[in-house]
Amino acid sequence: GIQVEQSPPDLILQEGANSTLRCNFSDSVNNLQWFHQNPWGQLINLFYIPSGTKQNGRLSATTVATERYSLLYISSSQTTDSGVYFCAVGDSGNTPLVFGKGTRLSVIA
Amino acid sequence: GAVVSQHPSWVICKSGTSVKIECRSLDFQATTMFWYRQFPKQSLMLMATSNEGSKATYEQGVEKDKFLINHASLTLSTLTVTSAHPEDSSFYICSARAPSGRRTSYNEQFFGPGTRLTVL
Repeated sequence: GIQVEQSPPDLILQEGANSTLRCNFSDSVNNLQWFHQNPWGQLINLFYIPSGTKQNGRLSATTVATERYSLLYISSSQTTDSGVYFCAVGDSGNTPLVFGKGTRLSVIA
Repeated sequence: GAVVSQHPSWVICKSGTSVKIECRSLDFQATTMFWYRQFPKQSLMLMATSNEGSKATYEQGVEKDKFLINHASLTLSTLTVTSAHPEDSSFYICSARAPSGRRTSYNEQFFGPGTRLTVL
């Protein structure tokens, strides 16, 4: 099956710093989503981005489908950005998502 | 975006008892829902695919007689952990694909808030 690798596994940032999280996947996909898991376990949808670039406030994401990777950019990080960021890929909406192991981000004041 | 709810949000039970977890799509219909399990500091692992009106499809290594899934309507799937044991303690999360619309994208999946199960 498809493999998803995320890097780095852990990241500590000073408040206000920028960061880039990477997601590599082993096969072509029709669905790629980025999530933020908050301290209570809820997965928050950040981006649905099987290809192209999107921006939402301080967050942006780029997926280069032909090279099988996606990047999540966090600018001017805040302590509330702390948590685990997951990349997940799938074939279609009716097939399950395969998750990477996540990047655990800690933003310190 | 679309809203998926789960009930209960947490449950503590004694070993040997059964626990039912509900997953509902609140503002859309879902012919397919997915059940995942997450152990502490680990990623989400797919347990099964729940299809409305038919049998669930289980991943390899997941006991179908232990984790009973029923998708009786287009807005409700249930996961019953039968004869629960301490090793079943975990965080259970469901998801569903919402139809494309103003605030959702085709193929985009949304997750419930999860159910934390502790078996004593």
